[in-house]
Amino acid sequence: DAGVIQSPRHEVTEMGQEVTLRCKPISGHDYLFWYRQTMMRGLELLIYFNNNVPIDDSGMPEDRFSAKMPNASFSTLKIQPSEPRDSAVYFCASIKPGTIEALGAYNEQFFGPGTRLTVL
Amino acid sequence: GQSLEQPSEVTAVEGAIVQINCTYQTSGFYGLSWYQQHDGGAPTFLSYNALDGLEETGRFSSFLSRSDSYGYLLLQELQMKDSASYFCAVRDYGYGGSQGNLIFGKGTKLSVKP
Repeated sequence: DAGVIQSPRHEVTEMGQEVTLRCKPISGHDYLFWYRQTMMRGLELLIYFNNNVPIDDSGMPEDRFSAKMPNASFSTLKIQPSEPRDSAVYFCASIKPGTIEALGAYNEQFFGPGTRLTVL
Repeated sequence: GQSLEQPSEVTAVEGAIVQINCTYQTSGFYGLSWYQQHDGGAPTFLSYNALDGLEETGRFSSFLSRSDSYGYLLLQELQMKDSASYFCAVRDYGYGGSQGNLIFGKGTKLSVKP
């Protein structure tokens, strides 16, 4: 399996521009998570989906952030307009189907390589 | 509030044993996980404890005491490739009744010296 795929790997943009990050989960995985990682705040959950439906978006910092999952194999995280404080590494992760009830397995999330975003 | 506390940095020598502690305070608790992240890389799953006690996986072991809200990751026979950041994470009760999500600690940067 190819693992979780994210694109682009690096993004440099100017303040005010729209940024779209993309994620392809592992085939067959039914949960998808978006995280942001910074030195100051560590790894933070932004939003997660189950079967393409957003379940918990309480971590989305503000209205400038939006996420969609139009189908089981694709998700986007959009920032519009972008600000310098959005600079971070953004990860998506997925987990195997049917493991939510299995207490142990749920915790094994498979992370993508991340997108390093720099907003100037 | 919810918080996970772990040391920011640990240094050890090759072949040694190192223990990385994690204390947590969360609104709910389903289990404690550990993830490894090399510089520039993605977090990768190492272990999980739902019940008290020690779980062993090769050179790595993880321990949990739910009554103390405490756990640790034990790395034995350290190798240079173990130099990385290690994160503890708690599965918490979710927002609005959702199944919950992982809350991560800030990570412990382990440096293994020759």
